[in-house]
Amino acid sequence: AQSVTQLGSHVSVSEGALVLLRCNYSSSVPPYLFWYVQYPNQGLQLLLKYTSAATLVKGINGFEAEFKKSETSFHLTKPSAHMSDAAEYFCALMPGGYQKVTFGTGTKLQVIP
Amino acid sequence: ETGVTQTPRHLVMGMTNKKSLKCEQHLGHNAMYWYKQSAKKPLELMFVYNFKEQTENNSVPSRFSPECPNSSHLFLHLHTLQPEDSALYLCASSSRGRVGANTQYFGPGTRLTVL
Repeated sequence: AQSVTQLGSHVSVSEGALVLLRCNYSSSVPPYLFWYVQYPNQGLQLLLKYTSAATLVKGINGFEAEFKKSETSFHLTKPSAHMSDAAEYFCALMPGGYQKVTFGTGTKLQVIP
Repeated sequence: ETGVTQTPRHLVMGMTNKKSLKCEQHLGHNAMYWYKQSAKKPLELMFVYNFKEQTENNSVPSRFSPECPNSSHLFLHLHTLQPEDSALYLCASSSRGRVGANTQYFGPGTRLTVL
């Protein structure tokens, strides 16, 4: 069975501080992993994806994530939070790179001025 | 238009109404999806279409009826809905076939309110 766990439904950081959003997965086959961002009243926008190439993946808006197989993790980071980063972030798993995607429950990021 | 578009963006309907949601993708993809996003619940996959054929129906009630006339268009026909069907309905598309090419791209969603 495949699953995605996002630790912390709400995360608050100060503007300029490090952003760390946690994602752990379970997959019986090599996973493809994604981070999406959702702004209020909008759809999901792809931030970055891991597709079995480099384990450190860089995405848009200064975000990056590192695939750690030993820890079954794919945490999302950004060195310095900006007010515009306030949104909900979803981690997603596609087992084996095939079609069906399992989404985490999301983490709402609040950025404090 | 680029990416995935959805219309209408907002819809309010009574329980006896019939309405349709429309999705169009401009990415040259051949797979399309409907998702339901409710407050405090994970994103729920409803339907999957590959090359216009429905390949997945996740036990969705029959009051939701999808239609995929071609690889670029996807509809969700709604009738006799319940208040608990109020949610954000998201459409997505992807390429199908090549492993790793299946990244899903989402539309902005339709916010549905059932009175």
